[in-house]
Amino acid sequence: DAGVTQSPTHLIKTRGQQVTLRCSPKSGHDTVSWYQQALGQGPQFIFQYYEEEERQRGNFPDRFSGHQFPNYSSELNVNALLLGDSALYLCASSESSYNSPLHFGNGTRLTVT
Amino acid sequence: AQSVTQLDSQVPVFEEAPVELRCNYSSSVSVYLFWYVQYPNQGLQLLLKYLSGSTLVKGINGFEAEFNKSQTSFHLRKPSVHISDTAEYFCAVLRGGNTPLVFGKGTRLSVIA
Repeated sequence: DAGVTQSPTHLIKTRGQQVTLRCSPKSGHDTVSWYQQALGQGPQFIFQYYEEEERQRGNFPDRFSGHQFPNYSSELNVNALLLGDSALYLCASSESSYNSPLHFGNGTRLTVT
Repeated sequence: AQSVTQLDSQVPVFEEAPVELRCNYSSSVSVYLFWYVQYPNQGLQLLLKYLSGSTLVKGINGFEAEFNKSQTSFHLRKPSVHISDTAEYFCAVLRGGNTPLVFGKGTRLSVIA
């Protein structure tokens, strides 16, 4: 049973470019959350998707957007990249119950130069 | 608003010694509490969770945590650590309802041979 898978594992982009990160949830999970983890910090909540809709959103600018597909997979898009967007981006899936534990993928390491 | 404070950013401990990683949270309502572990270049793995019931929670890899409502704490303990326990540990709080899982900044556990 595959867990949460994310692609790509590493990515290097230039300031101003756009990036798309992808996530496939654990089998049986229908909710996907995205977190940004800067070096030496805890994960910061970006947003959560359920039934193809954004259910919750953290304190991130509109440059960060997402999508969830009918098969529950998800994408995170970041436009107009800044140097400060360099981080590990973590996808987590869960069941729809609000206290269902999150299961994390190994993340995508984004470097903006 | 809720926040999570991990009181120690780094904890060095000798192999086979006991360890306690401290976590305090602030919330005026009932919460659900989690501990996650992150090994180098990996995502987060759930160690244990407190949703309700017994305040002493046992998790994987010999870890346990105790929920103390009066002190708003959820400290993580292990009676005898191994080299393989070297990792970053994150405490996380979920208030319930339409709120995201909030993480502390993490505690780096270094086990010394």
